[in-house]
Amino acid sequence: DGGITQSPKYLFRKEGQNVTLSCEQNLNHDAMYWYRQDPGQGLRLIYYSQIVNDFQKGDIAEGYSVSREKKESFPLTVTSAQKNPTAFYLCASSTGLQETQYFGPGTRLLVL
Amino acid sequence: AQSVAQPEDQVNVAEGNPLTVKCTYSVSGNPYLFWYVQYPNRGLQFLLKYITGDNLVKGSYGFEAEFNKSQTSFHLKKPSALVSDSALYFCAVRDIRGSNYQLIWGAGTKLIIKP
Repeated sequence: DGGITQSPKYLFRKEGQNVTLSCEQNLNHDAMYWYRQDPGQGLRLIYYSQIVNDFQKGDIAEGYSVSREKKESFPLTVTSAQKNPTAFYLCASSTGLQETQYFGPGTRLLVL
Repeated sequence: AQSVAQPEDQVNVAEGNPLTVKCTYSVSGNPYLFWYVQYPNRGLQFLLKYITGDNLVKGSYGFEAEFNKSQTSFHLKKPSALVSDSALYFCAVRDIRGSNYQLIWGAGTKLIIKP
């Protein structure tokens, strides 16, 4: 996991609430990613960012938002529009979009 | 359409025996191929990748994988399994052509090594 931190480890969301997951990396990587992992499924891409102040939607962006104001940070907000947010969320980074991705330890989001 | 298949949900191997975790893929061009491992409630760890060159790729923790273009496969192998190898293994592929840099992920294979 080293070099990429995610917080919190567990997060609880109430109905109608927006919550933000933190992802920080000290690897000097340009590209960063957010994935969602559900049991028995592969990873699904939510958003990715190639460079500061730029990000693109992945396959399942609806109900999520991101920002990339600093190279080191790529926070993910799970909005109230995401009706099934319970999942394990993984942040990753790489030197470029074509390079090997390295992952953080993940955040498990649960709905109260 | 690009896809990755890991045909076995679970693989059981006795400690000390060789192990194989299977992966087949479908891309329109030449692939980049990756294997990652995930321990419970942890992030994914990179094991190895194939970009070009030798079909046998060696990676971390004694794992290796063989790229077979004719069979469109990239099976993960280890000569002698350890109990600590028990984890969830993911195969991923990217088509090196074009501007779509997105990785396509398999559903994962749970590897159980019994003492």
